[in-house]
Amino acid sequence: NAGVTQTPKFQVLKTGQSMTLQCAQDMNHEYMSWYRQDPGMGLRLIHYSVGAGITDQGEVPNGYNVSRSTTEDFPLRLLSAAPSQTSVYFCASSPSHYSNQPQHFGDGTRLSIL
Amino acid sequence: SQQGEEDPQALSIQEGENATMNCSYKTSINNLQWYRQNSGRGLVHLILIRSNEREKHSGRLRVTLDTSKKSSSLLITASRAADTASYFCATNQAGTALIFGKGTTLSVSS
Repeated sequence: NAGVTQTPKFQVLKTGQSMTLQCAQDMNHEYMSWYRQDPGMGLRLIHYSVGAGITDQGEVPNGYNVSRSTTEDFPLRLLSAAPSQTSVYFCASSPSHYSNQPQHFGDGTRLSIL
Repeated sequence: SQQGEEDPQALSIQEGENATMNCSYKTSINNLQWYRQNSGRGLVHLILIRSNEREKHSGRLRVTLDTSKKSSSLLITASRAADTASYFCATNQAGTALIFGKGTTLSVSS
């Protein structure tokens, strides 16, 4: 049981490049979400999904796309990378979107945009 | 925008001492959760307290919730070096996503 797996762990991009951060969970969780963590800012919600085929925007969605074609996977796409997107990205999942559910986090992807 | 705000931002104590962190939030909530983050790792869920609960224990952790003051506290008793980490509170209202505070960085020295 691997939990939440994020790949890659580290990535360096040039401004304007695109890439996809992968997130997979093997716990059959309905709810998945993406956060970015910046120094002094805590975690901010980018996008979330309450089930396959359903996604919604969080607090800071601009510059990011998501899709949820399967229960297991929730990739985050950077369309045209900008230095302001340099951050640590975390994917999380929980059994459902109900508020009494603890979140399970991956170990993050550390992304630098030059 | 941040819902929860932890206080203090940083805390340094000796092994064996107790550590207390506080969290204040702005709007009514369904529950409040505390998470720990070790350096370079993802967040790990510690404890969840519902809005109708006032206190909850889990091992060396004690969490209180005061909905009238919109605040919560996390007490770690008899701290160990392994407790060195950042601690975050997170809240949500019914049907909304979990919103995290900025965290308290705890350093426990031996």
